[in-house]
Amino acid sequence: DTAVSQTPKYLVTQMGNDKSIKCEQNLGHDTMYWYKQDSKKFLKIMFSYNNKELIINETVPNRFSPKSPDKAHLNLHINSLELGDSAVYFCASRNVPLGEQYFGPGTRLTVT
Amino acid sequence: GNSVTQMEGPVTLSEEAFLTINCTYTATGYPSLFWYVQYPGEGLQLLLKATKADDKGSNKGFEATYRKETTSFHLEKGSVQVSDSAVYFCALRDPNFGNEKLTFGTGTRLTIIP
Repeated sequence: DTAVSQTPKYLVTQMGNDKSIKCEQNLGHDTMYWYKQDSKKFLKIMFSYNNKELIINETVPNRFSPKSPDKAHLNLHINSLELGDSAVYFCASRNVPLGEQYFGPGTRLTVT
Repeated sequence: GNSVTQMEGPVTLSEEAFLTINCTYTATGYPSLFWYVQYPGEGLQLLLKATKADDKGSNKGFEATYRKETTSFHLEKGSVQVSDSAVYFCALRDPNFGNEKLTFGTGTRLTIIP
């Protein structure tokens, strides 16, 4: 009965590699988000998609590329990983405007 | 731009103590305000919200009142429990961004000791 799920939960990789994090929501929501939480717990939005269309793109390096194959999925692909990419990445979704955002459990990415 | 400022943590209290976590905001319009809670190893969950001035959000014994005159949304609970140990985030929803964007504070880690 998981509402917003992410895989993997933990990801350890080396600098320079390319990796993807997957997100799926079974709530029927139209809008999905990616957030980054750094080591100091600071949480910042990265991207927002509505019905597979990009709505918000914060000042994120273009090494990060979100992909939404359908409105239930929003995957995050990261090229040429850097040490500073180490963080917890949260996916979220919401339905109607002004609606609550539901967060996934997070993916802890560690770049060595 | 919009911003949210929370009191720095960590905060450690004894069980049944009174809790206040301060939150102030800066916004160009009239934002909606939120408190989210993150329990260890989990994602964020909405704790409570207020959408206009003088609204009071409440849930699980927690309360916060939207104070436009002081641009504040302080979180309070009269008697905390060990199970309240978590990280608490104050957030605002940007009224000028199609209601899509949440801006978060830096989070306050709360530890309740028995």
